Amino acid sequence: KAGVTQTPRYLIKTRGQQVTLSCSPISGHRSVSWYQQTPGQGLQFLFEYFSETQRNKGNFPGRFSGRQFSNSRSEMNVSTLELGDSALYLCASRIDSGANVLTFGAGSRLTVL
Amino acid sequence: GESVGLHLPTLSVQEGDNSIINCAYSNSASDYFIWYKQESGKGPQFIIDIRSNMDKRQGQRVTVLLNKTVKHLSLQIAATQPGDSAVYFCAENIRGYSTLTFGKGTMLLVSP
Repeated sequence: KAGVTQTPRYLIKTRGQQVTLSCSPISGHRSVSWYQQTPGQGLQFLFEYFSETQRNKGNFPGRFSGRQFSNSRSEMNVSTLELGDSALYLCASRIDSGANVLTFGAGSRLTVL
Repeated sequence: GESVGLHLPTLSVQEGDNSIINCAYSNSASDYFIWYKQESGKGPQFIIDIRSNMDKRQGQRVTVLLNKTVKHLSLQIAATQPGDSAVYFCAENIRGYSTLTFGKGTMLLVSP
C-alpha cells in the first residue's frame, strides 16, 4: 500500500513568488492535513481538508491556502513568499476526520531566498 | 492556545539502556495522544497512541503511560538501539476537535 506522497521534495523560490505543493494521500484516506515544520516553532497546523471541504484552519495568514480534489489529493499554495516561509511542509492523511492516527509524507522542503 | 510541551530537549543514552521521554499537556479536554518519531530527512512516523480512558499501552519495545491527574505523558523505550536515535514528538487531540497539536520535540541520541 503506497504511503503519503508529496511533490516536489525540494524547491527554492525567491521572495514575492508563489508556490504550490501537492499531496497524494493513502488510498482510501479522505482527510488530508498540512503542517509547517520549522526549527523554532516545531510542527504548526495549517489546515485540514475532508471530502473537498476545509474542516479546520490554523493561525496562518491568508497567503496560505489549500484545496482538496474529489480523489482526495490535496494542494497547498503560498503566495507572496517571505523569507520566514522557509520550512518543511508536511502533509498527512487519515481515513476520516477525527481523533485517530495521521500518516505523514516525507515533506516538501521550501527555501525562500 | 494551550499546547503540548516537553521537559527535555535532548536525551543521551547508551545502547541497551531504557529511555524515557516525557511530555506535559495542559488541556484537560485532551482525549487522545500520539507519539511520533522523526528521523532526519523523513516525515514523522507513528509509534504508539493512547486514549484518555487508558493509563498504559504497550507496543513492541515501547510503552506509553498517561497520568491524567498531573497531565503527563511518557514514552518508554526498552533496550534502546542506535536506530532509535531521532526526534520524538508527542501530540494531543482535544475532544471535539480533529486537529493534532504537537509538542516541540525531544532529540534522543543513542551511543553504541
